[in-house]
Amino acid sequence: EIVMTQSPATLSVSPGERATLSCRASQSVSGNLAWYQHKRGQAPRLLIYAASTRAPGIPARFSGSGSGTEFTLTISSLQSEDFAVYYCQQYNDWPPALTFGGGTKVEIK
Amino acid sequence: QVQLEESGPGLVKPSETLSLTCTVSGGSMNSYYWSWIRQSPGKAMEWIGYILYSGSTDFNPSLKSRATMSLDTSKRQFSLRLTSVTAADTAVYYCARGVVGDYVWGPDDYGRFYYFDDWGQGALVTVSS
Repeated sequence: EIVMTQSPATLSVSPGERATLSCRASQSVSGNLAWYQHKRGQAPRLLIYAASTRAPGIPARFSGSGSGTEFTLTISSLQSEDFAVYYCQQYNDWPPALTFGGGTKVEIK
Repeated sequence: QVQLEESGPGLVKPSETLSLTCTVSGGSMNSYYWSWIRQSPGKAMEWIGYILYSGSTDFNPSLKSRATMSLDTSKRQFSLRLTSVTAADTAVYYCARGVVGDYVWGPDDYGRFYYFDDWGQGALVTVSS
């Protein structure tokens, strides 16, 4: 099973600042990675797929990069609605299974 | 706009069967992988499996022996059953719409993609006597 490790666990950022979130895979997943945003009490939301392709309706301030084992989600200028938990998910190993990272919580500094 | 909503008992006794239903509003149920994902306290999300419009299913190998799924297209619902539950099955269970297809990035780089473009809000299921 491919293990996905996200860092940091918590990121404290001021509104308007840039946030950089990391996701590392225990073995190469090529570009087969998605990012999700999850706010408490809401449904998770797809942000990025294929490592760098924004999902429909996702603002341009969200960008994804990376391939192989190292991936980054960047939020260029944090808005109040961006404070949430972010998860990465690899699908390179499917079948038999796809796996998620443990999440990075982006909180207000 | 597709909306998904989980429903089912919030408390299940050990050794019994967990049953959850997801109701899908809007959109077509064809061509998607209707999926279940769960998150136990303090752990990463775990993919459970999917069911297709045709009724075909596939599961995470770690849960394959205990999980089944069914689909009722007339009610726009799909369901999960997990047998012989233990405290380790305590989790928030999410239903989600899976988008699956083939990609080709080069002569030696091709495969299938599978990610989730719509999710429910989740349903907490606690396994306890």
